[in-house]
Amino acid sequence: GQNIDQPTEMTATEGAIVQINCTYQTSGFNGLFWYQQHAGEAPTFLSYNVLDGLEEKGRFSSFLSRSKGYSYLLLKELQMKDSASYLCAVRDSNYQLIWGAGTKLIIKP
Amino acid sequence: NAGVTQTPKFRVLKTGQSMTLLCAQDMNHEYMYWYRQDPGMGLRLIHYSVGEGTTAKGEVPDGYNVSRLKKQNFLLGLESAAPSQTSVYFCASSYSTSGGANTGELFFGEGSRLTVL
Repeated sequence: GQNIDQPTEMTATEGAIVQINCTYQTSGFNGLFWYQQHAGEAPTFLSYNVLDGLEEKGRFSSFLSRSKGYSYLLLKELQMKDSASYLCAVRDSNYQLIWGAGTKLIIKP
Repeated sequence: NAGVTQTPKFRVLKTGQSMTLLCAQDMNHEYMYWYRQDPGMGLRLIHYSVGEGTTAKGEVPDGYNVSRLKKQNFLLGLESAAPSQTSVYFCASSYSTSGGANTGELFFGEGSRLTVL
């Protein structure tokens, strides 16, 4: 079966750095997405990786290793507004998105 | 620019009642999707459409029907609601699944919170 694994919850301190991991086992691979979802709101697109390596966007970076079935989202200089759930999703060989259950990130002052 | 708009935002139904959720997008996207989101689970695809007049089943289609009569609208119907359909429903759209500089990212509506008693 197809599976996406992410930690259920993480806690970090304002101003610090946090890394959210995602491992996947899917039928084929056509890209990996990270979305941010604040409580009670819709998911919003953060990043996309289709080739191995690091993609950087301001305070957020996303890394992919296709051979290891592994990705991480790195958040730097954490702010209170970064408290949210972070969803990892992989597009499989049929171009269907397989979603992880999400990681709830709690930022403490 | 409204993006993706869902109506209604909240609804309470009794078991056996029917209802329709409406999704409208103004980005001229070809692809539209209906997901449900339940605690502790990833988003699950109910139905999707790759263009006007087309629909296809997703991962959890039972108990739901959809229609895409116009490109900008995607309707989700519940013919006979059950408590197991209590969930948050998200509509999403995308330009395409992939191609060129386009990642095929999804744009989501704000969600519709449905409770079935």
